[in-house]
Amino acid sequence: GAVVSQHPSRVICKSGTSVKIECRSLDFQATTMFWYRQFPKQSLMLMATSNEGSKATYEQGVEKDKFLINHASLTLSTLTVTSAHPEDSSFYICSAMGGRGAPGEQYFGPGTRLTVT
Amino acid sequence: GDSVTQMEGPVTLSEEAFLTINCTYTATGYPSLFWYVQYPGEGLQLLLKATKADDKGSNKGFEATYRKETTSFHLEKGSVQVSDSAVYFCALGTRSEKLVFGKGTKLTVNP
Repeated sequence: GAVVSQHPSRVICKSGTSVKIECRSLDFQATTMFWYRQFPKQSLMLMATSNEGSKATYEQGVEKDKFLINHASLTLSTLTVTSAHPEDSSFYICSAMGGRGAPGEQYFGPGTRLTVT
Repeated sequence: GDSVTQMEGPVTLSEEAFLTINCTYTATGYPSLFWYVQYPGEGLQLLLKATKADDKGSNKGFEATYRKETTSFHLEKGSVQVSDSAVYFCALGTRSEKLVFGKGTKLTVNP
């Protein structure tokens, strides 16, 4: 149980285009979903927290107009990188809370490797 | 604020060696504590967890005990395997439901 999927697993796009990444909780309802960014050989950097039906809360320094987050249902959140540039290339990971986990326990997706050319 | 400090490594061991990765934390209250593992090119998987003092989390031969007196949650395994090669993250759950991660420790196990 507590499986989170992400799609796509890898995407290459051209500079200036937009890319959408989906995060789904497959067997539980996610009250809260999180989006992280991970640079090579580094820890995860929290970008934003989203709750179903409400606006996402972004961490300091994250551009909300560039990284659009929509949490349309209790099982789906999307991250859209708008007008992508090479510096947006990174590994993006989502996670979800819900189910029967411990307080604060998050279930992570497999990640999406974004490359902007 | 809440924080996690873990041994940064990298750590290189031979198969069947004993593993310890140190993790200490600073937090208000009594947070839940977690160890996550990340294999190359993948997301994070929960390895084990503990929700209160003196709890011992265990999974796949790995163990960690929630020590309130030393604010620690060290990860141990008695005999590592090549397949344990990965990056290990210690994390705590904050009151705002966010996770605070350590910087990660890369483990390489050689045959």
